[in-house]
Amino acid sequence: QVQLQESGPGLVKPSETLSLTCTVSGGSISRDYWSWIRQPPGKGLEWIGYIHYSGSTNYKPSLKSRVTMSVDTSKNQFSLKLSSVTAADTAVYYCARVTTIAALGYWGQGTLVAVSS
Amino acid sequence: QSALTQPPSASGSPGQSVTISCTGTNSDVGGYDYVSWYQQHPGKAPKLMIYEVSQRPSGVPDRFSGSKSGNTASLTVSGLQAEDEADYYCSSYAGGNNYVVFGGGTKLTVL
Repeated sequence: QVQLQESGPGLVKPSETLSLTCTVSGGSISRDYWSWIRQPPGKGLEWIGYIHYSGSTNYKPSLKSRVTMSVDTSKNQFSLKLSSVTAADTAVYYCARVTTIAALGYWGQGTLVAVSS
Repeated sequence: QSALTQPPSASGSPGQSVTISCTGTNSDVGGYDYVSWYQQHPGKAPKLMIYEVSQRPSGVPDRFSGSKSGNTASLTVSGLQAEDEADYYCSSYAGGNNYVVFGGGTKLTVL
């Protein structure tokens, strides 16, 4: 059973870069696509982008200029960087495995990242 | 504003059936058979309940079913149980860089 766990700072200052890592256990990251999704407090889900283990990526157009995803197959991890953050980026960030086209079959528990000075 | 439109709330009594709609466009729901539904309990991660419009992942009760007509997809929960009370989100493949678009979510209350 694949399990995912997000990790990273829970507080980021405005204009700085948010950095999160997702560690995959119970399976190899060297298959399928892996995704990041976020959910502002009390609001709905927003897809951020995905990365393939080969390194190919696809980002939501409105976030594309600020998002970078990377993968480290040796550590079975993939990462998210979101630059120039503002309060609007405050959210629970989830990592997930894309199991079929546009379906997210396995999710991490999520990690809350607050943007505040 | 979410790309897909869902009613903010739905409700039903135990044992009843309830249907939640998800309306998109020809560029997402209507254009592909890649609609998914997620269940989210408070403080928990979403759980995939339906994929490819009507397919259930292993372990999801057959009380949950999905369908699509034109630009509108639907999730039906039959034989409502107390544990079905949760938020439900639809999503759809939207092609290219807009790979996944979500609905705004529907809060299902079991009366």
